[in-house]
Amino acid sequence: EVQLLESGGGLVLPGGSLRLSCAASRFIFRNYVMSWVRQAPGKGLEWVSGISGSGNSAYYADSVKGRFTISRDNSENTLYLQMNSLRAEDTATYYCSKSAYCSSSSCYRTNNAIDYWGQGTLVTVSS
Amino acid sequence: QSVLTQPPSASGTPGQRVAISCSGSSYNIGRITVNWYQQIPGMTPKLLIYTNDQRPSGVPDRFSGSKSGTSASLVISGLQSEDEADYYCAAWDDNLNAVIFGGGTKLTVL
Repeated sequence: EVQLLESGGGLVLPGGSLRLSCAASRFIFRNYVMSWVRQAPGKGLEWVSGISGSGNSAYYADSVKGRFTISRDNSENTLYLQMNSLRAEDTATYYCSKSAYCSSSSCYRTNNAIDYWGQGTLVTVSS
Repeated sequence: QSVLTQPPSASGTPGQRVAISCSGSSYNIGRITVNWYQQIPGMTPKLLIYTNDQRPSGVPDRFSGSKSGTSASLVISGLQSEDEADYYCAAWDDNLNAVIFGGGTKLTVL
């Protein structure tokens, strides 16, 4: 069974930075688009960012564009999210997720279903 | 406020049929496929419907999806108590160049 294990969450001051990691196993990591989805306490799901299987294409929600950077290391089967200039509204559980079908961004545009989610890592931005 | 609009709540009694709507625009649902997720409280989301109307293996056929124009619907037939959960639609948006989720619908089984 696919495993996605997030780490790196915690308490950070407004304006601070954090780097989330997601260790993936039991599937061919480089063959799938990966994404981060977050959920603020008691709120709905918000897609944050996605990256193609090769790592050549990345997409971001407007709410994080210019502050967050997604990347992946296919040799280590690991997904990352570098979060800078953090704000209180970034407080959420961040889920690492795997595309059900797609490796490329063109495929992802038309079929971005997520079939596996990690358990999430909580990021709290507060003074 | 989400680009995809869902009713905040829905309810039904066991055995009933319930429909949850997801309204979008020509930039998303009008041109791209829709996925639906179920999130039981305290759990991670689960893919329920992909590409508008396809069920992943293991999802009961009580769940069905459809799309027409700029709207999509999730229908649950023969409602069961374990269906009580939050339901989200999602689609790519060509204007935002991003995946967008609906605000979610909390389904209560009375």
